[in-house]
Amino acid sequence: DGGITQSPKYLFRKEGQNVTLSCEQNLNHDAMYWYRQDPGQGLRLIYYSQIVNDFQKGDIAEGYSVSREKKESFPLTVTSAQKNPTAFYLCASSYNPREETQYFGPGTRLLVL
Amino acid sequence: GENVEQHPSTLSVQEGDSAVIKCTYSDSASNYFPWYKQELGKRPQLIIDIRSNVGEKKDQRIAVTLNKTAKHFSLHITETQPEDSAVYFCAASSRGGSARQLTFGSGTQLTVLP
Repeated sequence: DGGITQSPKYLFRKEGQNVTLSCEQNLNHDAMYWYRQDPGQGLRLIYYSQIVNDFQKGDIAEGYSVSREKKESFPLTVTSAQKNPTAFYLCASSYNPREETQYFGPGTRLLVL
Repeated sequence: GENVEQHPSTLSVQEGDSAVIKCTYSDSASNYFPWYKQELGKRPQLIIDIRSNVGEKKDQRIAVTLNKTAKHFSLHITETQPEDSAVYFCAASSRGGSARQLTFGSGTQLTVLP
């Protein structure tokens, strides 16, 4: 999991602003995932991507968007439509979509000003 | 879809004692069950996993048991140490389209008291 990086570590969003969280991996993994973690709760799936130029909604996709233009990168945009964005965001990857073992990045904590 | 319930939400044990965390799942098609350890502010780390074709797996002080009939699985930590203090998450893998998805439990805050 050391091959997955996320930036920034902390991010502040103003009302009505879109912000983008970065996730990069050098593990040659095909599949990538974005999760949201709220205090005292488990991880909830936002979006996932099985391969370049392909992605699917997870359980809580509303107010978020993603792209997968490169195998190594899977950025997440938190749009102004996401009314409660304060959370810890975790990116993960797996060797391929049928491989269950997922490895996580260090996370980005998003706070609203 | 899959639903995973995890108990207890908090657990305190004395150093050297054992700790047990239990999870239940709803989708009988799930066949992969990982456990992650997350220290405060850090990324979840995979500590052990089990597939549905086995009933128990051990790795030093950590073991996981699976009862497919009852749809529950448990994490056992023996001879606990202060560094075992963390939040532990169970998960179950189900198929969403052609890809595997993990559904996580809500976590257990384990505190090992010296």
